[in-house]
Amino acid sequence: GQNIDQPTEMTATEGAIVQINCTYQTSGFNGLFWYQQHAGEAPTFLSYNVLDGLEEKGRFSSFLSRSKGYSYLLLKELQMKDSASYLCAGGVSGNTPLVFGKGTRLSVIA
Amino acid sequence: SAVISQKPSRDICQRGTSLTIQCQVDSQVTMMFWYRQQPGQSLTLIATANQGSEATYESGFVIDKFPISRPNLTFSTLTVSNMSPEDSSIYLCSALGRNEQFFGPGTRLTVL
Repeated sequence: GQNIDQPTEMTATEGAIVQINCTYQTSGFNGLFWYQQHAGEAPTFLSYNVLDGLEEKGRFSSFLSRSKGYSYLLLKELQMKDSASYLCAGGVSGNTPLVFGKGTRLSVIA
Repeated sequence: SAVISQKPSRDICQRGTSLTIQCQVDSQVTMMFWYRQQPGQSLTLIATANQGSEATYESGFVIDKFPISRPNLTFSTLTVSNMSPEDSSIYLCSALGRNEQFFGPGTRLTVL
């Protein structure tokens, strides 16, 4: 089975940096995904890590350590529009659906 | 990438009735899934919609309650049967791409 844990809520200030952590235990692993979901909208893809290390994409970066079962999403230069839920999800194989953590609700304040 | 549309976008239904949600993908995909997201919660997988065969259901979900069709590689339906207020949720269709899983906009269901 799979178990994915992430903090329930976080608050950060506009312009700052925030790191959202995710730990997972899976029987098999084929990549770690991060999705952003604004209230009332569908999740949108942010990043995918299958190898250890940091993947940078603009203001967003994602890190993976497979040996530690650990990932984080780093958001830089926070903007008010970054207020959303951030979902960590694990894939087991190329044809299986993602299993999602409970999501971290991020509030960006002025 | 794949663009997914769902109909209806929202509905309010009476207890004991059934609702069928349609999902259309703009390209052929091998894997399609249905998720449920209850208010303030994350996504829970209901089932994998298999083309040409019966859907594969996750623990806690059964075919009689959530029948699923997948007649071809771009279309699927999910029916929520004999609804109760506990079925009030957002139902999301999803399709698997090469390195990404895409989501439809969701169907917001309220059962009175």
